[in-house]
Amino acid sequence: GENVEQHPSTLSVQEGDSAVIKCTYSDSASNYFPWYKQELGKRPQLIIDIRSNVGEKKDQRIAVTLNKTAKHFSLHITETQPEDSAVYFCAASITGNQFYFGTGTSLTVIP
Amino acid sequence: NAGVTQTPKFQVLKTGQSMTLQCAQDMNHEYMSWYRQDPGMGLRLIHYSVGAGITDQGEVPNGYNVSRSTTEDFPLRLLSAAPSQTSVYFCASSYQDRGDTQYFGPGTRLTVL
Repeated sequence: GENVEQHPSTLSVQEGDSAVIKCTYSDSASNYFPWYKQELGKRPQLIIDIRSNVGEKKDQRIAVTLNKTAKHFSLHITETQPEDSAVYFCAASITGNQFYFGTGTSLTVIP
Repeated sequence: NAGVTQTPKFQVLKTGQSMTLQCAQDMNHEYMSWYRQDPGMGLRLIHYSVGAGITDQGEVPNGYNVSRSTTEDFPLRLLSAAPSQTSVYFCASSYQDRGDTQYFGPGTRLTVL
């Protein structure tokens, strides 16, 4: 099955700085890569996703890049704010099939 | 739309007891799945279903059973609870054919003593 690795496990940044979280996957058939944000005690919520036919996608302060050759994808958050503090999960999926999640990154934005 | 709902929110069981975690969605999603979330281990897939009457195992299926008699409901059964099943359980659903993202329920926090 698919194996998704996520780094770092914890990340602290100053407010206004950028944060980058990286994931690698093992199955070249994976073609859908969502990112989720989970606040303490809450459910995971989708923040951005990318499909294998696209190399980069942006949504305001959040961007995701995908390198299919290297089998890695990254989440970039710019101009971080305290409300960005949460646990972030990456995932990989073959369309219509199982989702495999990374182990999460706990992001702390220091005011 | 209520989205994805789960009951109960909290549950405490004794070792060996059985119970069913309920999950329902009103979005007519074909794909439904159950995950468990443990500290430092992310979300691990227990079982999933691609439509009524069709289920399959995920990464960690042992000790759990599922069935899907309707599109809306996907209950998870613990046959004989063990302390290792102490976890937070999330149900999720999505459209299958679009490879769309999953929408998660609010979770059930289960403790097995």
